Amino acid sequence: DAGVIQSPRHEVTEMGQEVTLRCKPISGHNSLFWYRQTMMRGLELLIYFNNNVPIDDSGMPEDRFSAKMPNASFSTLKIQPSEPRDSAVYFCASSPRTGRLQETQYFGPGTRLLVL
Amino acid sequence: DQQVKQNSPSLSVQEGRISILNCDYTNSMFDYFLWYKKYPAEGPTFLISISSIKDKNEDGRFTVFLNKSAKHLSLHIVPSQPGDSAVYFCAARVSGGYNKLIFGAGTRLAVHP
Repeated sequence: DAGVIQSPRHEVTEMGQEVTLRCKPISGHNSLFWYRQTMMRGLELLIYFNNNVPIDDSGMPEDRFSAKMPNASFSTLKIQPSEPRDSAVYFCASSPRTGRLQETQYFGPGTRLLVL
Repeated sequence: DQQVKQNSPSLSVQEGRISILNCDYTNSMFDYFLWYKKYPAEGPTFLISISSIKDKNEDGRFTVFLNKSAKHLSLHIVPSQPGDSAVYFCAARVSGGYNKLIFGAGTRLAVHP
């Protein structure tokens, strides 16, 4: 299996521009999570989906952030308009729901975003 | 409100010695605890976990201890190796959720020869 795939790996943009981050979860996984990593706050959960339906978006910082999951194999995180304080590494993770207690999340390599 | 706290941002250990990484939590509803390891330019990878009904879980050089009364868990690495140098994240799972995890801020471990 290729694992969780994220694109782009790096993004540099100017303040005010729209940014779209993409994620392909592991095939067969039915939960998908978006995280943001910063030095100050570590790994923050932004939003997660189960069976393509958003379950909890309470971690989304502002209305400028939105996420979609149109099908089981694709999700996007969009920032519009972007601001310098959005600069961070954004991770996508997926998880199976097997009923076993030992479920875990599998992370993609992340997208490093720099907003100038 | 940080429900999972890793109060030590960094730790330096000599090769061969024990590394102890600590984590505190505040929510009694967590039912499962995990440690993830992260190398630069990579995503976090699962390392070891423990159920809330246990107090110890061991996997090779890695052992996780859970003290529920103190709401504290720790990761022991014995013996430490240079390849263990990474950022370690403590995470707690919210019971009844869709495998939702709350992560700490991470501890950067440096193992030097």
